[in-house]
Amino acid sequence: GQNIDQPTEMTATEGAIVQINCTYQTSGFNGLFWYQQHAGEAPTFLSYNVLDGLEEKGRFSSFLSRSKGYSYLLLKELQMKDSASYLCAVRLSGGSYIPTFGRGTSLIVHP
Amino acid sequence: DSGVTQTPKHLITATGQRVTLRCSPRSGDLSVYWYQQSLDQGLQFLIQYYNGEERAKGNILERFSAQQFPDLHSELNLSSLELGDSALYFCASSPSDSYTDTQYFGPGTRLTVL
Repeated sequence: GQNIDQPTEMTATEGAIVQINCTYQTSGFNGLFWYQQHAGEAPTFLSYNVLDGLEEKGRFSSFLSRSKGYSYLLLKELQMKDSASYLCAVRLSGGSYIPTFGRGTSLIVHP
Repeated sequence: DSGVTQTPKHLITATGQRVTLRCSPRSGDLSVYWYQQSLDQGLQFLIQYYNGEERAKGNILERFSAQQFPDLHSELNLSSLELGDSALYFCASSPSDSYTDTQYFGPGTRLTVL
C-alpha cells in the first residue's frame, strides 16, 4: 500500500529556513513531487525527484532518500507569500502511474 | 498561469441535480486528469484521459463520468449530487501519458451542493 505522511501544520518566521518532511510507505516507487497550493487556488509544481539526493531550485530545494522512504522540501529566506499548503505526491512504477497526494502541510509564515 | 483553463469557476446547485465541469488542457497536452479536493480528503485522483481514451481510473463514483473530445478538452459530469460532493474540482494536463510527465493544474471549479 501507500501511506504518505506529512505534518499537518508548521509555522516559521519571515527570513528563516523551514524543512517540510514527507515519508511514504510504498512498493514500486517511481518518483516524488512537491506542489505548492495557496488557499482556494490550483496546486503549482515545485519539484520532481526520482533519484536520491538534493535538487536545488532557487530558494526551494527538495531531497529524496528512496531507501528510507523519505523526502523533504527546504524553503530558504522565507517570505510572507510562502504561506501556503505544500503537497507531497508519490508516483508508483507499473500499472497506473498517477501520483498519490499526501494531505499537505500548511505553512504559516509570520513577521 | 498554468495554461489549463476550467469553467465555471464557481457552481452552486441543489442535491439530486446534475452538473458539467469543463477543462481545456495546455496547448499540445494530450492527457487530462480530474481531481477532487475536499477539506477532509485532500486531493483525490478521479480519472485520466489520454488523446480521447480513458487511461486510468481512481476513486471516481459511478455517479460521475468524464470524456475527452477530439479537440482534447474534457468534461466531468456529476449526477445525483449529494451534499458530500461539495468540493474543489481540479483538472490537470500533461504532454503525454509518460511516467516522466509533470501535471499542470487548472484554477479549479468550486462546487457547492445545497
